[in-house]
Amino acid sequence: GAGVSQSPRYKVAKRGQDVALRCDPISGHVSLFWYQQALGQGPEFLTYFQNEAQLDKSGLPSDRFFAERPEGSVSTLKIQRTQQEDSAVYLCASSLTGLGYEQYFGPGTRLTVT
Amino acid sequence: TQLLEQSPQFLSIQEGENLTVYCNSSSVFSSLQWYRQEPGEGPVLLVTVVTGGEVKKLKRLTFQFGDARKDSSLHITAAQPGDTGLYLCAGATSGSRLTFGEGTQLTVNP
Repeated sequence: GAGVSQSPRYKVAKRGQDVALRCDPISGHVSLFWYQQALGQGPEFLTYFQNEAQLDKSGLPSDRFFAERPEGSVSTLKIQRTQQEDSAVYLCASSLTGLGYEQYFGPGTRLTVT
Repeated sequence: TQLLEQSPQFLSIQEGENLTVYCNSSSVFSSLQWYRQEPGEGPVLLVTVVTGGEVKKLKRLTFQFGDARKDSSLHITAAQPGDTGLYLCAGATSGSRLTFGEGTQLTVNP
């Protein structure tokens, strides 16, 4: 079956612009996670959904970051008024159960803020 | 904040050599996962270890979870150029979030 997909794969935004990043998880997966990965570093947790409920958003770096999963499937990560420090790869992962132990990652969206 | 420290950060070896990557923490994890990531792609899950002292083998890769569930190691035997990539360990606690190490960039030269 299809894996986790993300779009766009690459996004260039001018500082101050809003961006929206989309994640399509594996069908039937209950849990969905967003991570931010800086170049040469490991991913850092941003937020977690179980179905449509956002259970943990403690990793979101500022109130400019907002995520939603309204129907418990597709999720969107929105960044308002982008800053240069937002430049990174944004990874989405999904997991079959609520435990989230085995997470399957999408290819990521590389965001560059100029 | 729970931290996972990986070592070495960079490793460049010749084809056929053996290597070990370490993942250490002061925190106890309920499980630990190893991922491999290639440029432009997301991490791909290699293995999950759950029980303290557990050893899992995946072809030439051997994974071990420490008795106290605070550390783990990945050993590769007879490395091949296809093993090149960023190896990441990630620990899970009672919640669902994963805490990742900084990664070990492995290069296997032919």
